[in-house]
Amino acid sequence: SYVLTQPPSVSVAPGKTARITCGGNNIGSKSVHWYQQKPGQAPVLVVYDDSDRPSGIPERFSGSNSGNTATLTISRVEAGDEADYYCQVWDSSSDHWVFGGGTKLTVL
Amino acid sequence: EVQLVESGGGLIQPGGSLRLSCAASGFTVSSNYMSWVRQAPGKGLEWVSVIYSGGSTYYADSVKGRFTISRDNSKNTLYLQMNSLRAEDTAVYYCARVLLHCSSTSCSNRRAFDIWGQGTMVTVSS
Repeated sequence: SYVLTQPPSVSVAPGKTARITCGGNNIGSKSVHWYQQKPGQAPVLVVYDDSDRPSGIPERFSGSNSGNTATLTISRVEAGDEADYYCQVWDSSSDHWVFGGGTKLTVL
Repeated sequence: EVQLVESGGGLIQPGGSLRLSCAASGFTVSSNYMSWVRQAPGKGLEWVSVIYSGGSTYYADSVKGRFTISRDNSKNTLYLQMNSLRAEDTAVYYCARVLLHCSSTSCSNRRAFDIWGQGTMVTVSS
């Protein structure tokens, strides 16, 4: 089965740029989606199809995907961005959805 | 307003059964791909099952043969029937809608979850 690998944690100072990676075999050939989850809340889709944003998501959230790594970039990080972030793909070979293990973003 | 509301969670003994419900409003369940995703306490997200608009269903290996996803079009509600429950099934269960992206000429399912319910907790313990 397809595996997505994320760093357990990323720390960033307010106003700086956070980059959260998601590794997978030839992930560049897949569409990657990203979710933000704050404690006690349901996940929220922040980026889909590698780099598109749903309505209502700030432009500070962006994504890229190439080779074996997809990246969620959060510019001008704010305290309110502190959350767990998950990447996700659809594995067409099995018709299964796959999540990465999640990355806890800490705003220093 | 587009919304999903889960219910049916609770404490159940190992080997028992439980049926979760997910009532949708603001859109039609049968016209969308719908899924269940769970999250064990302190752990990450795990996809459980999906039902396509055409009725096809798929399951994670961890629940295949024990869980059944279905929908009632008249009630605009999604279900998850869970049998032979195990301690490792303990989690918050979310229902979620798969994003349907439409352009001026066509619509396509983008395999991302754009609407989530608030979740319902299932605890399997004796």
